[in-house]
Amino acid sequence: SAVISQKPSRDICQRGTSLTIQCQVDSQVTMMFWYRQQPGQSLTLIATANQGSEATYESGFVIDKFPISRPNLTFSTLTVSNMSPEDSSIYLCSVAIRGLGTQYFGPGTRLLVL
Amino acid sequence: AQKITQTQPGMFVQEKEAVTLDCTYDTSDQSYGLFWYKQPSSGEMIFLIYQGSYDEQNATEGRYSLNFQKARKSANLVISASQLGDSAMYFCAMRDNTGGFKTIFGAGTRLFVKA
Repeated sequence: SAVISQKPSRDICQRGTSLTIQCQVDSQVTMMFWYRQQPGQSLTLIATANQGSEATYESGFVIDKFPISRPNLTFSTLTVSNMSPEDSSIYLCSVAIRGLGTQYFGPGTRLLVL
Repeated sequence: AQKITQTQPGMFVQEKEAVTLDCTYDTSDQSYGLFWYKQPSSGEMIFLIYQGSYDEQNATEGRYSLNFQKARKSANLVISASQLGDSAMYFCAMRDNTGGFKTIFGAGTRLFVKA
């Protein structure tokens, strides 16, 4: 299994500011994803983080709001830009390896925007 | 379009009894995977079990088994001998295994285990 760490684990931010969340995996993985879980809701895929190229965003999510980087096979960042209270959620990093029937999640970053 | 449906918002089970959590899916893909995750109050997503669309036998992991009925497009999770620690939110998820390898989630079922 892959061990995934995320920083920060939680944060309280003021509206209009930005927060960058880091995701580190202990082994090289094929796929990295970012999910959002709003309070009391299920998980929604934000984007697929592609190594060395622009992320692939899902409908309803745009690069200007959620810029993502993935410089190598073990690290990715998600920035939540120009935050509003509606961005208060848990943000989760997830990894998978093609050909393997597993997908793991990081511990999540709990974000509260005031 | 892919879709995952969990119709049970909440379920109660007596400790030591078995419980089935329902999940149906819709996809036009031939190769896909089905997952179940447990999310306790701490918020972490714990991987429980995986079933590939080409797997002929139902997946089992300890007390967890996945009742895969491909023709009916269902992938129910069976938890045997429920424990108090099984009280949590359970999510069914589906991944396309050929294209973007993206995983989508159902709405979840909250399981309460009674002593």
